[in-house]
Amino acid sequence: GQQVMQIPQYQHVQEGEDFTTYCNSSTTLSNIQWYKQRPGGHPVFLIQLVKSGEVKKQKRLTFQFGEAKKNSSLHITATQTTDVGTYFCAGPSGGSNYKLTFGKGTLLTVNP
Amino acid sequence: ETGVTQSPTHLIKTRGQQVTLRCSSQSGHNTVSWYQQALGQGPQFIFQYYREEENGRGNFPPRFSGLQFPNYSSELNVNALELDDSALYLCASSLAGPNYEQYFGPGTRLTVT
Repeated sequence: GQQVMQIPQYQHVQEGEDFTTYCNSSTTLSNIQWYKQRPGGHPVFLIQLVKSGEVKKQKRLTFQFGEAKKNSSLHITATQTTDVGTYFCAGPSGGSNYKLTFGKGTLLTVNP
Repeated sequence: ETGVTQSPTHLIKTRGQQVTLRCSSQSGHNTVSWYQQALGQGPQFIFQYYREEENGRGNFPPRFSGLQFPNYSSELNVNALELDDSALYLCASSLAGPNYEQYFGPGTRLTVT
């Protein structure tokens, strides 16, 4: 079945440093979604990318969807303590229009 | 606009027992999905309901079952609980289709002893 892999599993940064997490799917995706889960919280939708090579920005966050629509990245510029949490990518499973497969996530911690 | 709510917040059950978890969808959403999230893992898709019918299922045994009601609220039932069922159970509502984001509820923390 489809697999969605994320690296790194953990990332610890000093406040102000940049952070990037990478997501790779074993199959081509129709779209990819990114979620953030704060410690003790639930996943919160950040963004969806649909087009090959798409780049979207939300303030200090930049999201990219690969040309082959099998990989994606999230880059945070100048991290803040409010960025702490686990970032998940998720994509619809191949051939279905309902099952969302999540990666294991990247846990970001920020040292003030 | 009311968000997704889940009850109960926490639950402790004994192996072999049965449990029912409840979810109220966000206003205007007609699709609800259930996920199991083990500690340190991403959410794992259990199943999805659309218009009161199961619309798809992940790799979970039949002892995981669900219902969706006309008001789009939903239940997740788990029979014959096992220790490995201990996890955070998340309900997510959305509009139908693959290009709509999921709005997650706060989850129910289930502990099986």
